[in-house]
Amino acid sequence: AQSVTQPDIHITVSEGASLELRCNYSYGATPYLFWYVQSPGQGLQLLLKYFSGDTLVQGIKGFEAEFKRSQSSFNLRKPSVHWSDAAEYFCAVGRASGGSNYKLTFGKGTLLTVNP
Amino acid sequence: DVKVTQSSRYLVKRTGEKVFLECVQDMDHENMFWYRQDPGLGLRLIYFSYDVKMKEKGDIPEGYSVSREKKERFSLILESASTNQTSMYLCASSDSGRGNEQFFGPGTRLTVL
Repeated sequence: AQSVTQPDIHITVSEGASLELRCNYSYGATPYLFWYVQSPGQGLQLLLKYFSGDTLVQGIKGFEAEFKRSQSSFNLRKPSVHWSDAAEYFCAVGRASGGSNYKLTFGKGTLLTVNP
Repeated sequence: DVKVTQSSRYLVKRTGEKVFLECVQDMDHENMFWYRQDPGLGLRLIYFSYDVKMKEKGDIPEGYSVSREKKERFSLILESASTNQTSMYLCASSDSGRGNEQFFGPGTRLTVL
């Protein structure tokens, strides 16, 4: 069964500092990988996704993530955090091959606090 | 833009009431999902549907049922609401041809008194 681990429940960074949010997955085949962001009281918005090809993917709002198969990781990064990035971030894994499994498995989330 | 809408942002119900949460998507997606979100537990899948009138249980289906009579609409039903069903409920939809990327609605915060 697939699973996703986000080791950090809560991270605090200063505005302007760099950010890395960790995500490790367990999956028996080639995965589809996603990062979503949730602002307080809102639904989830897709930041970026990896399906295949270049292992460094660019997303919205200046975020990027790198897929490392050998480490089963898909860490999210941003070089300079803005106060508006304060939110909860979710990593998710889905099935890349065909079949009827349309589900995504989500991590439990990392809450990001940004200090001025 | 894909749009997923949920009938209410906030809902307050009493224990034992029957509760309907409605979700509508406008992108002709085959798949629709209901999650509940609780602090520290992340998103947990309640039910999903991969076609009209088709449904499958997710990880926590107990106390819930669903209905999908039309492709664009997916309803979550709490037959007899209980206080432990107080939560944020999120609906999502996806098109299998887009690698299972899910699009989310804004959520319904349900309080059961």
